[in-house]
Amino acid sequence: DTAVSQTPKYLVTQMGNDKSIKCEQNLGHDTMYWYKQDSKKFLKIMFSYNNKELIINETVPNRFSPKSPDKAHLNLHINSLELGDSAVYFCASSQRLAGGDTQYFGPGTRLTVL
Amino acid sequence: GDSVTQMEGPVTLSEEAFLTINCTYTATGYPSLFWYVQYPGEGLQLLLKATKADDKGSNKGFEATYRKETTSFHLEKGSVQVSDSAVYFCALSDQAGGTSYGKLTFGQGTILTVHP
Repeated sequence: DTAVSQTPKYLVTQMGNDKSIKCEQNLGHDTMYWYKQDSKKFLKIMFSYNNKELIINETVPNRFSPKSPDKAHLNLHINSLELGDSAVYFCASSQRLAGGDTQYFGPGTRLTVL
Repeated sequence: GDSVTQMEGPVTLSEEAFLTINCTYTATGYPSLFWYVQYPGEGLQLLLKATKADDKGSNKGFEATYRKETTSFHLEKGSVQVSDSAVYFCALSDQAGGTSYGKLTFGQGTILTVHP
């Protein structure tokens, strides 16, 4: 069983399009996150949700809108895609909204904007 | 703000060589410290962690000790294998109850390649 899954694994699209990435966790965790990994492998948090409530919004452009329909799902919708949005996006989850808790990562979605 | 600095890569070693990847951090208070590993084409997985000073995390032959006095969490392994080839990330989060709500702050990653 995959603990944290993401779809799609690869996403290739044109500038200006709107796209969504979906994430699901079957670990029963309360907290979910989105991270962005750039071409140099640097990882930075974008959002976190706890029990469907937005907790962290790390100065991400308004074109990015996360949505959590329930505790097990956290989706990321991106409007008006730009070249600079090309990256690998990772979803993660943890038991609690607390430092020190292990975060479990999905396999990533590689987004390429042409 | 919090930050993590890792040694520059890439690191290339022969099988059975000794590995050290340096990691130092800047943070307020007493963060929790982690090493995550990313194998080619995969997501990150926790390798080990330590949540208080002088704790030693260990897993799969890897070790790291939380050194508060030097703000360091260096990763070591006595004898690397080809299967250890991956990208290694040092990271920190605040302690439970902290105001950063558990977010991970990562170092830049170190690419390790192990040759037979």
